[in-house]
Amino acid sequence: AIQLTQSPSSLSASVGDRVTIFCRASQDIRSELAWYQQKPGMAPNLLISDASTLEGGVPSRFSGSGSGTDFSLTISSLQPEDFATYYCQQFDNFPLTFGGGTKVEIK
Amino acid sequence: QVQLVESGGGVVHPGGSLTLSCAASGFTFGYYAMHWVRQAPGKGLEWVAFMRFDGSDRKYADSVKGRFTISRDNSKNTLYLQLSGLRVEDTAVYYCAKDRHWHFDVWGRGTPVTVSS
Repeated sequence: AIQLTQSPSSLSASVGDRVTIFCRASQDIRSELAWYQQKPGMAPNLLISDASTLEGGVPSRFSGSGSGTDFSLTISSLQPEDFATYYCQQFDNFPLTFGGGTKVEIK
Repeated sequence: QVQLVESGGGVVHPGGSLTLSCAASGFTFGYYAMHWVRQAPGKGLEWVAFMRFDGSDRKYADSVKGRFTISRDNSKNTLYLQLSGLRVEDTAVYYCAKDRHWHFDVWGRGTPVTVSS
């Protein structure tokens, strides 16, 4: 199975900060990567597919980049509603796998 | 609007069985593959099972293979997950999710399953 390693596992940041989360795959997954946001007690929400394609309705302060084994999710200016846990997920092949998550907390 | 609503979760003893349902609305259910994803308390997300739109292909995580069965009834717009041989480590919130090329563009709110003696 393809392993996804997210870093950091948690971070503290202030409103307005630029934040970058990393996701490394154990093998080449081309651009078959998605990013999700999950708030406490809620289901995950798809933010980005195909490594860099923003979902409709997702604010433009979110962006994704990368291909192959190294990927990143950037929030250009952190807003209060962005404090949540973020997961990457590969869909290059089965079994589908997720990264361990990155919790973004308020500093 | 597009909606997925899970039901059927509960408390069950180790070795027990349970069937989860996921009612879909707001889209043509029979055109889309579907998945189950779970999340243990305080833990990350784990993909569990996949079923193609017409039921012709199913895939499972190794952790549930041989114990869980995914199925669907397109006439009822409903996805199912039969859980058997349940273990304490199967305790989780179970989400159904709509497929978009093997990732998940719509999620339900989840149904909790607790396996405990």
